[in-house]
Amino acid sequence: EVQLQQSGPEVGRPGSSVKISCKASGYTFTDYVMNWVKQSPGQGLEWIGWIDPEYGSTDYAEKFKKKATLTADTSSNTAYIQLSSLTSEDTATYFCARGGGVMDAWGQGASVTVSS
Amino acid sequence: DVQMTQSPYNLAASPGESVSINCKASKSISKYLAWYQQKPGKANKLLIYDGSTLQSGIPSRFSGSGSGTDFTLTIRSLEPEDFGLYYCQQHNEYPFTFGSGTKLEIK
Repeated sequence: EVQLQQSGPEVGRPGSSVKISCKASGYTFTDYVMNWVKQSPGQGLEWIGWIDPEYGSTDYAEKFKKKATLTADTSSNTAYIQLSSLTSEDTATYFCARGGGVMDAWGQGASVTVSS
Repeated sequence: DVQMTQSPYNLAASPGESVSINCKASKSISKYLAWYQQKPGKANKLLIYDGSTLQSGIPSRFSGSGSGTDFTLTIRSLEPEDFGLYYCQQHNEYPFTFGSGTKLEIK
């Protein structure tokens, strides 16, 4: 069974950074790219970008190019998203989702709260 | 970016009824549209991709249609577990974009 297990809730101060993990199991990690998707409170879904774990190549939505950094560790089958220079606009739930344009498995989401 | 306009925003129906949710793209996305279900405490679920291809394990009461700019998700004979949020998403070009969501509630 494909599973994407995300790390727990994070609280970050304005201006700081947070890093969320997404541990994959049940499939060959390097066979699929991993997407990251943002959901602000009470809002819809925004695609942040994806990473190809096999090559480390990434693509980002323009809006997130200076905000998010995607990495992957093939030794632990884990994908990461780091969010930098946090502001209140970054308070949201962040999902990892397997696949290219078609996201066929999702993590449970990790909440990030930006608060001083 | 391709803007996805989803309607209706809210939808109330009874178990056993059929409902349709619409999604309109700001430009042609060929057939490349996916539908997802979101429910509290559960991972988001892929229902349909490529406009009309049913994801493995999804009941046949879910169906998708459309191409170009106009798409529809139809759920026939609603079951209690079908109530939740539904999102469309274009997977034709970067950046991938989602509709604003439709909340399907029990009447």
